[in-house]
Amino acid sequence: GAVVSQHPSWVICKSGTSVKIECRSLDFQATTMFWYRQFPKQSLMLMATSNEGSKATYEQGVEKDKFLINHASLTLSTLTVTSAHPEDSSFYICSARFPGQGLAFFGQGTRLTVV
Amino acid sequence: AQSVTQLDSQVPVFEEAPVELRCNYSSSVSVYLFWYVQYPNQGLQLLLKYLSGSTLVESINGFEAEFNKSQTSFHLRKPSVHISDTAEYFCAVSDRNFNKFYFGSGTKLNVKP
Repeated sequence: GAVVSQHPSWVICKSGTSVKIECRSLDFQATTMFWYRQFPKQSLMLMATSNEGSKATYEQGVEKDKFLINHASLTLSTLTVTSAHPEDSSFYICSARFPGQGLAFFGQGTRLTVV
Repeated sequence: AQSVTQLDSQVPVFEEAPVELRCNYSSSVSVYLFWYVQYPNQGLQLLLKYLSGSTLVESINGFEAEFNKSQTSFHLRKPSVHISDTAEYFCAVSDRNFNKFYFGSGTKLNVKP
């Protein structure tokens, strides 16, 4: 299947700082990428849909000023957690939609720990 | 809107025994159905999918799932599990434009020797 790479795989940051997570589609161009958040023992919750060249569409309850999404190219979307707090600690997963087929391939996830 | 229900949060099973992980969905429109597997501290990997055609779909590692429209189910089965199948399994649906994926709460499959 297609490859989606997410970086970093884990990060620890201090409260109040910002953290950027990258999601790259390595062998295909993705006009649409998705960002999910997974709390322990829970399922994935869609945070936002990232469209290349336009603003992201956020799900209800997700603070767009806190979770900044940039989809500047067809192979890269970034999620920046601004002014991180301990409650932002979570597993963040991106997925990229394969063109034509519409299937979504997932990155390996990023474990964010805010201390 | 769509929703997915996985009633079993954990399924313990002995190696070489059969297993079924249940998935039911609700939707007002036609959907595509998926099973994803997540190993510890990793992202999700597509296990199998139903888009159209035969209602029975299979994966390369022996899992199969059957789409049952009347029961709105897409249960995952394997006749004989291995220790390496220990993981969390998520059922998901999307509309036919792949606009969004909705996931179930996941089922942890724990295969014991």
